[in-house]
Amino acid sequence: RKEVEQDPGPFNVPEGATVAFNCTYSNSASQSFFWYRQDCRKEPKLLMSVYSSGNEDGRFTAQLNRASQYISLLIRDSKLSDSATYLCVTDSSYKLIFGSGTRLLVRP
Amino acid sequence: NAGVMQNPRHLVRRRGQEARLRCSPVKGHSHVYWYRQLPEEGLKFMVYLQKENIIDESGMPKERFSAEFPKEGPSILRIQQVVRGDSAAYFCASFSDRVSNEQFFGPGTRLTVL
Repeated sequence: RKEVEQDPGPFNVPEGATVAFNCTYSNSASQSFFWYRQDCRKEPKLLMSVYSSGNEDGRFTAQLNRASQYISLLIRDSKLSDSATYLCVTDSSYKLIFGSGTRLLVRP
Repeated sequence: NAGVMQNPRHLVRRRGQEARLRCSPVKGHSHVYWYRQLPEEGLKFMVYLQKENIIDESGMPKERFSAEFPKEGPSILRIQQVVRGDSAAYFCASFSDRVSNEQFFGPGTRLTVL
């Protein structure tokens, strides 16, 4: 079983749509949780950290459910520029553990 | 304010040759990680280094791969006698404060083994 599991997608949505990604992790000792964004053939970039209380950054909302070991990302009012692969990331001690990513395609 | 630098950005090697990948962390950062990303997969941890020390190399293949982060100069990931399965993107990340846990990634080196 992978340590971090994500639906690979792709999610194909029109501009303006709301889209949600989910992720589960297996290590109950994980302390830190993140969503990274990776554009094609580029390095991953931190989108946002995820906190137990939930957090929002503009059109992006992240939620963490420790009991279910489940992380989510909600994107509202999708833009063409949101097209990318979204990586769910947890930590194991000081190492980052990456999911394989969920592809999002936003069409005009 | 330079970020993490990696070179070369693209590297082509024939089977059996050596590949040397370089990473210069953000100025002032003394912690470096190397990750490998195979096509259509997520990044996989390889090794964690501090200046002159290997802290954790549990993700690195036991043979042909080595890494260093000398007191002066960039961190080097070396792959000897490359095989086709080594073709991947290799990303370096650095950070300065373990409390913050935010790692800054370089642009990666794409290794192609012919």
